[in-house]
Amino acid sequence: NAGVTQTPKFRVLKTGQSMTLLCAQDMNHEYMYWYRQDPGMGLRLIHYSVGEGTTAKGEVPDGYNVSRLKKQNFLLGLESAAPSQTSVYFCASTPPGSQPQHFGDGTRLSIL
Amino acid sequence: GENVEQHPSTLSVQEGDSAVIKCTYSDSASNYFPWYKQELGKRPQLIIDIRSNVGEKKDQRIAVTLNKTAKHFSLHITETQPEDSAVYFCAAITPAGTALIFGKGTTLS
Repeated sequence: NAGVTQTPKFRVLKTGQSMTLLCAQDMNHEYMYWYRQDPGMGLRLIHYSVGEGTTAKGEVPDGYNVSRLKKQNFLLGLESAAPSQTSVYFCASTPPGSQPQHFGDGTRLSIL
Repeated sequence: GENVEQHPSTLSVQEGDSAVIKCTYSDSASNYFPWYKQELGKRPQLIIDIRSNVGEKKDQRIAVTLNKTAKHFSLHITETQPEDSAVYFCAAITPAGTALIFGKGTTLS
């Protein structure tokens, strides 16, 4: 089992460009999450999904969109990248209920 | 919504000493509190968790205590070793049980 796989691992964008980050999990988990991690700010929840076809806003959703068309995939989109979105992005998944989250290796995104 | 405060932000200890990291949460309906360890450049990994029906849980050198009345929980690491150096995050589950809210982390060295 690969667990949670994030694509790409690194990316550099110019301000205004768009891109999509892909998260794939092979554990048949219902819940999936996108976080951003900035120095001194911990892990902040961007969006999450409790099942195929459903998404919800987290703590810092502005500037991002998500889609969960398939249970195993959770996509994070930046429509018009801004330097403030430079960060490390982590995806995670978990079964329903109070269960540990499993994290991917992260995507390091720089926006110039 | 749920808010999690974590202290201290940095902690330095001598090898062999104990380390304690404390977190408070805002919503009394939260019932699940995991702790994650993140080494430099790596993903966060669960090290221990506790549910609200338990006051303390131990796993070798690591223990977590929960005080539901005061709405705080703590991570205790005994006999610290160099490989314990990392960033530690506490988290609390939202009352709906659908998401975790994380503290800002503690850098232990």
